[in-house]
Amino acid sequence: QQQVKQSPQSLIVQKGGISIINCAYENTAFDYFPWYQQFPGKGPALLIAIRPDVSEKKEGRFTISFNKSAKQFSLHIMDSQPGDSATYFCAASLSGGYNKLIFGAGTRLAVHP
Amino acid sequence: KAGVTQTPRYLIKTRGQQVTLSCSPISGHRSVSWYQQTPGQGLQFLFEYFSETQRNKGNFPGRFSGRQFSNSRSEMNVSTLELGDSALYLCASSITGTATNNERFFGPGTRLTVL
Repeated sequence: QQQVKQSPQSLIVQKGGISIINCAYENTAFDYFPWYQQFPGKGPALLIAIRPDVSEKKEGRFTISFNKSAKQFSLHIMDSQPGDSATYFCAASLSGGYNKLIFGAGTRLAVHP
Repeated sequence: KAGVTQTPRYLIKTRGQQVTLSCSPISGHRSVSWYQQTPGQGLQFLFEYFSETQRNKGNFPGRFSGRQFSNSRSEMNVSTLELGDSALYLCASSITGTATNNERFFGPGTRLTVL
């Protein structure tokens, strides 16, 4: 119940295309869903986050879509660029869970020119 | 504003030894949490400290411990190292201790290799 399942494990997209990464969870007590981007040799950096009372959130080329009934959320990267090539992690945290984030397994994205 | 600092960046130890890793959070941040990142298990929560108190702990053996000082700097210690402890250890700081809408800023990590 504490797991967050992320897919696909890896993704290849052409420059200008749309990258879509999906996550699913079981625990309905999760109330915060961030996405992190990690480049080699760096720590994860927050990209965008959403709460379950919102179905979609957009920041620039990045959009989170949230489906509370299906217990799924996804990251869409529009107009993908080679600089977006990185590993992406979805995560979830529990209300009252302080700073414990439960991460998905990660998706390695490669954007080809 | 300086980011989260972790020292050392790289460490090589042998089985049975112990190791101490250090994390300096962003100025003004009072919460520090630690994560272990491995290719097999991904990112896993170790523990979280706020105002020198451990408030949450992940599912790791007692060989993993930590503490936080009055200036919010934190250390984690791993005793009796095992090969499986080889990982990237990440520290994250945040302003408050609440989980929701509370951005955590991660440091670059300490790469620990156990031989």
